[in-house]
Amino acid sequence: GENVEQHPSTLSVQEGDSAVIKCTYSDSASNYFPWYKQELGKGPQLIIDIRSNVGEKKDQRIAVTLNKTAKHFSLHITETQPEDSAVYFCAASITTGKLIFGQGTTLQVKP
Amino acid sequence: KAGVTQTPRYLIKTRGQQVTLSCSPISGHRSVSWYQQTPGQGLQFLFEYFSETQRNKGNFPGRFSGRQFSNSRSEMNVSTLELGDSALYLCASSLSTGFGNTIYFGEGSWLTVV
Repeated sequence: GENVEQHPSTLSVQEGDSAVIKCTYSDSASNYFPWYKQELGKGPQLIIDIRSNVGEKKDQRIAVTLNKTAKHFSLHITETQPEDSAVYFCAASITTGKLIFGQGTTLQVKP
Repeated sequence: KAGVTQTPRYLIKTRGQQVTLSCSPISGHRSVSWYQQTPGQGLQFLFEYFSETQRNKGNFPGRFSGRQFSNSRSEMNVSTLELGDSALYLCASSLSTGFGNTIYFGEGSWLTVV
């Protein structure tokens, strides 16, 4: 069945360092890979997404890479700031509206 | 531009009761999907609606149902509530159905079943 594995479950970095979160998906038909940031008491906020016809996408300090052969995709946050502290979720989709989520990564950025 | 709006934000229900949650998608968005978030199971897909038709359904019992109206607003209903139904219920919307449509989430409705 469809499954997304996300690692690590927790990540602690110093302010200014980079953070990398990795996800692996099981269904090779997956074609859309969004990343969400969720702060306490709030809904998931889309931070970046990538589609299967693109290998890499960057938006300021955030980048996502996709390796379709290995069925891996990763989130890279550079120059981390305390406000980046949150839970991050990766997801994969093979059909509209239905996202399969990873288990989440709690990122702590220490000042 | 207003985001996805969900009501109510918080509610407490008793076992055996039913509950209806409401969702207004982003203006112009026609696809609405629902998710359940719990600490143990994470984020799980419930169902998706487009043009008032259910397009996809997750692995939840028939007690969970939904519908979409002609203005794209959606409701989900949970009947015969169980303690395990306590969760954050999230509504998400996208412009349309099809490959890689960006999906935006609302703030969610926190349901506590006692």
